[in-house]
Amino acid sequence: QVQLQESGPGLVKPSETLSLTCTVSGGSISSHYWSWIRQPAGKGLEWIGRMYTSGTTNYNPSLKSRVSMSIDTSKNQFSLNLTSVTAADTAVYYCARAWGGASWYFDLWGRGTLVTVSS
Amino acid sequence: DIQMTQSPSTLSASVGDRVTITCRASQSILTWLAWYQQKPGKAPKLLIYKASTLDSGVPSRFSGSGSGTEFTLTISSLQPEDFATYYCQQYNSYSTFGQGTKVEIK
Repeated sequence: QVQLQESGPGLVKPSETLSLTCTVSGGSISSHYWSWIRQPAGKGLEWIGRMYTSGTTNYNPSLKSRVSMSIDTSKNQFSLNLTSVTAADTAVYYCARAWGGASWYFDLWGRGTLVTVSS
Repeated sequence: DIQMTQSPSTLSASVGDRVTITCRASQSILTWLAWYQQKPGKAPKLLIYKASTLDSGVPSRFSGSGSGTEFTLTISSLQPEDFATYYCQQYNSYSTFGQGTKVEIK
C-alpha cells in the first residue's frame, strides 16, 4: 500500500528557508496531486499547496509569496520550500495525497514532521 | 476565502451516545466537504468525502449529510476508539479546514 514519509531539518533559523521532502513508497507518484498541510501545536490544519506530477501548482493565497513546491518522479519524491520563516511557521508539517481534480480532499497522509523556527 | 466554522468546539459524551458535529461554510460549497478524525500525535484520517460518502474501511456508525453551507457529521453509537478531534474541510475553492471539534469522555 502507498505510504508517505516526510523528512527534513527539525530546526530552522528565523528568516531562513524551510525545506522538506516527502517520499512516496508502495506506489507511483505519477498521475496524482500531492499536497503539504501544516498544524501548529494545539491548533487546526492549514493547507499550504498542492502539485501535480506535470508541475502544475496551486498555493494557499496567504502563503503564496513564500511557497514553492517541486517534484522528482525519478525518486518518487516531492518537496516544499517556505522562505523567510518566522516563529509563526513552527508546526507539524504533513505531506498528503490530494485526491481529485479541480476539487480535492486528502486521502493519504504522512506521519508528519515537527519543524521549529528558532535561533 | 471560504471560512469553515465547526460547532461545538468541545463535546463531552459517553460510549453509546449519538453524537452530531456541525460545520458551516461562509458561502455555498455544494457538497465539496470532507471530514477527518485525528488522534493525539497522529495524522488526520479521512472519514467522509463529498459530504456523505464514507471512505473505504470507515465504520458505518459514521455518517455525513448536508449541502450548500451547512453540514453534519454523526456518530450513531460512540465507541471508545472514536474519542478524538474531528475536522471538516471544504474543497470547493482551494482548501480550508474548520477549527476542529474535540470529542471527549464525559
